[in-house]
Amino acid sequence: DTAVSQTPKYLVTQMGNDKSIKCEQNLGHDTMYWYKQDSKKFLKIMFSYNNKELIINETVPNRFSPKSPDKAHLNLHINSLELGDSAVYFCASSHLNYEQYFGPGTRLTVT
Amino acid sequence: LAKTTQPISMDSYEGQEVNITCSHNNIATNDYITWYQQFPSQGPRFIIQGYKTKVTNEVASLFIPADRKSSTLSLPRVSLSDTAVYYCLVGESYGGSQGNLIFGKGTKLSVKP
Repeated sequence: DTAVSQTPKYLVTQMGNDKSIKCEQNLGHDTMYWYKQDSKKFLKIMFSYNNKELIINETVPNRFSPKSPDKAHLNLHINSLELGDSAVYFCASSHLNYEQYFGPGTRLTVT
Repeated sequence: LAKTTQPISMDSYEGQEVNITCSHNNIATNDYITWYQQFPSQGPRFIIQGYKTKVTNEVASLFIPADRKSSTLSLPRVSLSDTAVYYCLVGESYGGSQGNLIFGKGTKLSVKP
């Protein structure tokens, strides 16, 4: 019954590797998001996406790329991982700008 | 960009009413104001959303003055389980600049017995 799910919950990897985080929502929402929450708990939006438009936060390195195979999924691909990428990544979904439903988060640790 | 400012932390006791204010001086005409609650190791959870005046639901009230440059989240009779971080988010309806979807730094509310 989970509305927004993410896998994996924990991800430990080495610098330079490429990894993906999957996100699925079963709410029928038209918009999905990726957020990054760093060690200081500052929550920053990375991307928002619907079937028409991808909007990218200009501060996000192009090593990060969202990929949406269908309306219910928005996966996050990260190339050439760096130490500074260590954070908790949250996926969320919403209908337009109404309330966003967040996933449980993926804790990424880059060593 | 509609930047938001909130107190970093607040303390309260069980049964008290808590008011958390968020400043957003550069709020745009199409921006909504939304509040989220986050517990440790969980994703944020929607509390309430409003555009102007007052909005109330089963868990909170949101007060927005006429100039909309600030908003106040009111939690009636808090309990220990309300201990969390509360985020103020200002953003316009979809179709506008996503850069306006900005979370504040959050207010860490600690409720004591």
